[in-house]
Amino acid sequence: DQQVKQNSPSLSVQEGRISILNCDYTNSMFDYFLWYKKYPAEGPTFLISISSIKDKNEDGRFTVFLNKSAKHLSLHIVPSQPGDSAVYFCAAMVFPGANNLFFGTGTRLTVIP
Amino acid sequence: DAGVTQSPTHLIKTRGQQVTLRCSPKSGHDTVSWYQQALGQGPQFIFQYYEEEERQRGNFPDRFSGHQFPNYSSELNVNALLLGDSALYLCASSIQGPDQPQHFGDGTRLSIL
Repeated sequence: DQQVKQNSPSLSVQEGRISILNCDYTNSMFDYFLWYKKYPAEGPTFLISISSIKDKNEDGRFTVFLNKSAKHLSLHIVPSQPGDSAVYFCAAMVFPGANNLFFGTGTRLTVIP
Repeated sequence: DAGVTQSPTHLIKTRGQQVTLRCSPKSGHDTVSWYQQALGQGPQFIFQYYEEEERQRGNFPDRFSGHQFPNYSSELNVNALLLGDSALYLCASSIQGPDQPQHFGDGTRLSIL
């Protein structure tokens, strides 16, 4: 049972435009959410996170929005750059108690120069 | 500051053999988690070690076992290898506590012939 879902396997965006990656979850006990970026032959790199007590967290060009009632979060990248081309994974965690990560299946972002 | 390091990077084994993968956590981290990533999927949680004990375990058989050493490094052992064990094995380290992101190594690519 996939508790974290990324329904768009791929996304293409022009350089300079906004990239919006979406993620849905089913487990209402999740209270910490993370986005990771993965290049080929490398491990996932932590990008940004958000706690369930917030609805927005910003770090430079990256902003994560959380809508708990809809069990939905999104990652906005503005402006998108060719170096952002990678696979993006959404992950979620329950804390305290079980603090393992549940991952989505990833969205491949391609930023077109 | 060294990040999470894993060895070896690639490994080829045959069915029925046993394998040991190694992980050194990021400096200052005391918790190590192991994940299996099949092609086209997100990482799946295997187990987590803290204070040299297995604290959490995902839905993996007993053929998968691990260990954490006093210096926080960790090993993942898989016995009686099956073809389906072919995957990328990722190690992640973190600090115990709320809202602490896990940081990943580049993984070990295990191929079973």
